[in-house]
Amino acid sequence: AQSVAQPEDQVNVAEGNPLTVKCTYSVSGNPYLFWYVQYPNRGLQFLLKYITGDNLVKGSYGFEAEFNKSQTSFHLKKPSALVSDSALYFCAVRDRGSSASKIIFGSGTRLSIRP
Amino acid sequence: GAVVSQHPSWVICKSGTSVKIECRSLDFQATTMFWYRQFPKQSLMLMATSNEGSKATYEQGVEKDKFLINHASLTLSTLTVTSAHPEDSSFYICSASKDGRNTEAFFGQGTRLTVV
Repeated sequence: AQSVAQPEDQVNVAEGNPLTVKCTYSVSGNPYLFWYVQYPNRGLQFLLKYITGDNLVKGSYGFEAEFNKSQTSFHLKKPSALVSDSALYFCAVRDRGSSASKIIFGSGTRLSIRP
Repeated sequence: GAVVSQHPSWVICKSGTSVKIECRSLDFQATTMFWYRQFPKQSLMLMATSNEGSKATYEQGVEKDKFLINHASLTLSTLTVTSAHPEDSSFYICSASKDGRNTEAFFGQGTRLTVV
C-alpha cells in the first residue's frame, strides 16, 4: 500500500532563511509525487510535481523539491522564506495508473515564517 | 492550471436534514472526481472516488448511504450528506484531474459544514 510520511508537524523559520519541509514515501513502483499548499479554510493549491527526469523540480512561488529515489524522499525547499509562505503543506503520492488512481496525502506540515 | 469550483463554501444545517455540495470542473472534463474530508489540523481523508455514469467507490469505513455521491456529467459531481449529525461537521474538499492525464489533481475551495 502507498503511504506518505511528513515527520514534522511544524517547521519554524525566520524570514529570509532557507526552509525545508520533509517528506518520505513508501510505494511499489515509480509514483508521481506532489506538493500542495493550503491556506486557512481553503482548498489545496498545487505547487509542484515530480514525474520523471531531473531530480530537482521547480514549482510555484520559488519552491523546489528534490526527488531522492534511494532515500525515498521528496523534500520541499525554498532558498529564502517569506512571511507569506506561512501555511499548511502537504506531500502526496499517486500511482501511475490512470486519472482514476487515488492521491494519498501525508499528514501535513505547518510552516511558520517569523518576520 | 485548471479550475475546480465547489459550492457552497460554507453551510450550516440542522441535525437530521440533508445537505448537497457541488463540485464542478469549469474548464475541463473529469471522468473521475474525488471527495475528501478534513478534520481540524489534520490531513485529507479520501472518502470516495466519484465515477461519471457509474457508482462511486467508497473507502473503507465510509457509509455510502450517508454520503451519497452522484456524478451525472463530465463536469459535475455532488456529495449529499444525508440525515446530518453534529459529528458530520467538517471541511469537505473535492478534486479532479484532467481526463487522460493522471498527474496533478486540482482542488475545489472546500465546503465548511456545520451541523447544529
